[in-house]
Amino acid sequence: NAGVTQTPKFRVLKTGQSMTLLCAQDMNHEYMYWYRQDPGMGLRLIHYSVGEGTTAKGEVPDGYNVSRLKKQNFLLGLESAAPSQTSVYFCASSLGLNEKLFFGSGTQLSVL
Amino acid sequence: GESVGLHLPTLSVQEGDNSIINCAYSNSASDYFIWYKQESGKGPQFIIDIRSNMDKRQGQRVTVLLNKTVKHLSLQIAATQPGDSAVYFCAEGTGGFKTIFGAGTRLFVKA
Repeated sequence: NAGVTQTPKFRVLKTGQSMTLLCAQDMNHEYMYWYRQDPGMGLRLIHYSVGEGTTAKGEVPDGYNVSRLKKQNFLLGLESAAPSQTSVYFCASSLGLNEKLFFGSGTQLSVL
Repeated sequence: GESVGLHLPTLSVQEGDNSIINCAYSNSASDYFIWYKQESGKGPQFIIDIRSNMDKRQGQRVTVLLNKTVKHLSLQIAATQPGDSAVYFCAEGTGGFKTIFGAGTRLFVKA
């Protein structure tokens, strides 16, 4: 009963490096999301997807790209990491609109 | 603009007591509200939700109350246990793709 799985759990990057965060869900959910969580702030939506092959911008999309080539996977990419992208990243999925979100356990990213 | 906020950033309760966590929202058109619990080092976990056609919903040891008149939401936890120690988020689902999260309230349970 895996739910939403994120890899890696921790990562340290130098400014300018690139990386991809992986998210996989086994609940056959159509909707998937990437959030970032910073101290003292609520979760902020980076990008989301309403189905395989579709992506859209959320509240804070700058500096990030995403892809949804398969329904069960949603990838978040950082092309040129900046210290402002130091954060905890959460992937989530939902069955539909106005439905509860299921979250992964998060990725702690530090950009030096 | 839309916002979801919490009245208290931290709440400390004695084990066995009831806890009440409050939340205010500003969008009167909001029709779906969710409470999430986040333990240290983990992702948020769904606790309970309520839609705008209801004013109360009960789960196992938890109750959510919705007052649309004053745009206020509360989460009540009965007989609070040490395992309830966590950060609690209220969230508003507006019917679009953007679930709006409050900053969270940290609940401490004293043994």
